[in-house]
Amino acid sequence: DTAVSQTPKYLVTQMGNDKSIKCEQNLGHDTMYWYKQDSKKFLKIMFSYNNKELIINETVPNRFSPKSPDKAHLNLHINSLELGDSAVYFCASSQGITTYGYTFGSGTRLTVV
Amino acid sequence: QQQVKQSPQSLIVQKGGISIINCAYENTAFDYFPWYQQFPGKGPALLIAIRPDVSEKKEGRFTISFNKSAKQFSLHIMDSQPGDSATYFCAADDQTGANNLFFGTGTRLTVIP
Repeated sequence: DTAVSQTPKYLVTQMGNDKSIKCEQNLGHDTMYWYKQDSKKFLKIMFSYNNKELIINETVPNRFSPKSPDKAHLNLHINSLELGDSAVYFCASSQGITTYGYTFGSGTRLTVV
Repeated sequence: QQQVKQSPQSLIVQKGGISIINCAYENTAFDYFPWYQQFPGKGPALLIAIRPDVSEKKEGRFTISFNKSAKQFSLHIMDSQPGDSATYFCAADDQTGANNLFFGTGTRLTVIP
């Protein structure tokens, strides 16, 4: 069983479209994250949720909106997609207010054309 | 601002050689230093981690050396194998409850047979 699963794995879409990426974890963790990895492999945190509450919201355009329906799920919705949004997006999870045992999903490669 | 500086950006090592990747940080509040390994098309996976109360931690062929006074830590991969070819990220956390790992910029390691 995959611990942190993301769907879709690949997403190709046109500029201006709205898209969502879903993330689910079956580790029983109560904290989930979204990271963006650019073409140079740099990993940058976007959002962090603990028990469905937003605790980190880095400087990210408000076109990006995370939604956590329960502590096992954290979805990322992106409005009005731009070319610069092309990247790999990783979901991750951990237990409690600690980054011990941070577990990443396998990523969603978003390509905006 | 890059909280954790990592070098080199890329590294080529012969099979059986030692791979060394270095990281440096400024924030003295950091107290957890993990290393992540990322294969193409996969998410980063925790490889090994250290706390600042020890100067070295070894797991199999992987060793972290930690120099608290210099605010530096490094990953040594002994007897490097082609299967070790991946991108390696150092990271740091201050365990303040913000649940945020600060990642280095990554090192692409290639081990040639």
